[in-house]
Amino acid sequence: EDKVVQSPLSLVVHEGDTVTLNCSYEVTNFRSLLWYKQEKKAPTFLFMLTSSGIEKKSGRLSSILDKKELFSILNITATQTGDSAVYLCAVEAVEYGNKLVFGAGTILRVKS
Amino acid sequence: NAGVTQTPKFQVLKTGQSMTLQCAQDMNHNSMYWYRQDPGMGLRLIYYSASEGTTDKGEVPNGYNVSRLNKREFSLRLESAAPSQTSVYFCASRAWETQYFGPGTRLLVL
Repeated sequence: EDKVVQSPLSLVVHEGDTVTLNCSYEVTNFRSLLWYKQEKKAPTFLFMLTSSGIEKKSGRLSSILDKKELFSILNITATQTGDSAVYLCAVEAVEYGNKLVFGAGTILRVKS
Repeated sequence: NAGVTQTPKFQVLKTGQSMTLQCAQDMNHNSMYWYRQDPGMGLRLIYYSASEGTTDKGEVPNGYNVSRLNKREFSLRLESAAPSQTSVYFCASRAWETQYFGPGTRLLVL
């Protein structure tokens, strides 16, 4: 059975801290791994990763994929209160019309 | 350009009642999806439609039906609602790089 496991389930940090969120997966017919940020409503897209070892960056956020060890990390540097959200990791499988298999998410709270 | 829209935003049903959740996208995407999100379980795929005129079951299709009315619209129907269907429902459509999600429908079945 396909599964995606995220850790930690939740964490609380202070503004300015750096955080690392983890995502491991077991998915057949892997196509890509995606990170989403969910603040109250719909998940919003952050990154899509398809190749091992290539870091993707967007401002203070960065992510990398290891297809050999089947995991990805999402780093957030110099955290701000606006980074408080649930971060979802999803793996796209080439079945079910390219379905996304989601992890349960990591709840991040940044205190001022 | 509204992206993916869903109606209603919130609904309360009694056990056994039926209802249809509406979803529309204006991005000319072929593929559309319905997910449900429950606490601690991430999002799970209910049904998807790879193109206009086709629909297929996802991981948790029991108790639901769908209709791909045209390229824009993909509806989800609960014929006889059960308390286990209390959840937040998200519709999504797919571009090349990712799926774009609607704002969600929060459904409570009493």
